Amino acid sequence: QSALTQPRSVSGSPGQSVTISCAGTSSDVGTYNFVSWYQQNPGKAPKVMIYDVSKRPSGVPDRFSGSKSGNTASLTISGLRAEDEADYYCCSYAGTYTYVFGTGTKVTVL
Amino acid sequence: EVQLVESGGGLVQPGGSLRLSCAASGFSFSIYWMSWVRQAPGKGLEWVANIKQDGRETSYVDSVKGRFTISRDNSKNSLYLQMHSLRGEDTGVYYCARDPVGATWYFDIWGRGALVTVSS
Repeated sequence: QSALTQPRSVSGSPGQSVTISCAGTSSDVGTYNFVSWYQQNPGKAPKVMIYDVSKRPSGVPDRFSGSKSGNTASLTISGLRAEDEADYYCCSYAGTYTYVFGTGTKVTVL
Repeated sequence: EVQLVESGGGLVQPGGSLRLSCAASGFSFSIYWMSWVRQAPGKGLEWVANIKQDGRETSYVDSVKGRFTISRDNSKNSLYLQMHSLRGEDTGVYYCARDPVGATWYFDIWGRGALVTVSS
């Protein structure tokens, strides 16, 4: 049950694209297509942005997209906007009804 | 409105116990798996435990096994987390979260959280 590995921070200018990686293992990300991504603003509860690797809940802008290759999942934010500045966490199903979260990435809009 | 509201947080001494509650409203509570997720101050999210719709299946992160017990009362639309032998590293905000129905695993609805502080 080790945390998935994410970069501590990424940054980009408005309009640019940023990609956050989420490195897991063959016991979680590599085996299950149940990777989700959460946006968390300071003092607030997390909000799901992507689920099942690449699906977007209703209301989430299509600027947010997800993908997976092997043991690593990725979240891409295209056309970066000021309101995208937040902490982002990946999460994977890890079998036997358990989950594991990523270490978290702070996205800064320059 | 779909809503989860946690309560029961507070200050407790190391070795003490605390029981968190989560009141669900606006949806059919009994058909969903439910989870507790916590966040230490300034740290990341950590999944703590979950429970099946009928309460007969539960899972826990290794660090709380034997100390925490998740339970639910579908007649009261409520989720609980009984915490014993609390340690400083258990300090944080505890969120109640809903696992959606269907062949998928993620958290689609979150509460606002309850703060638990373990300190002497």
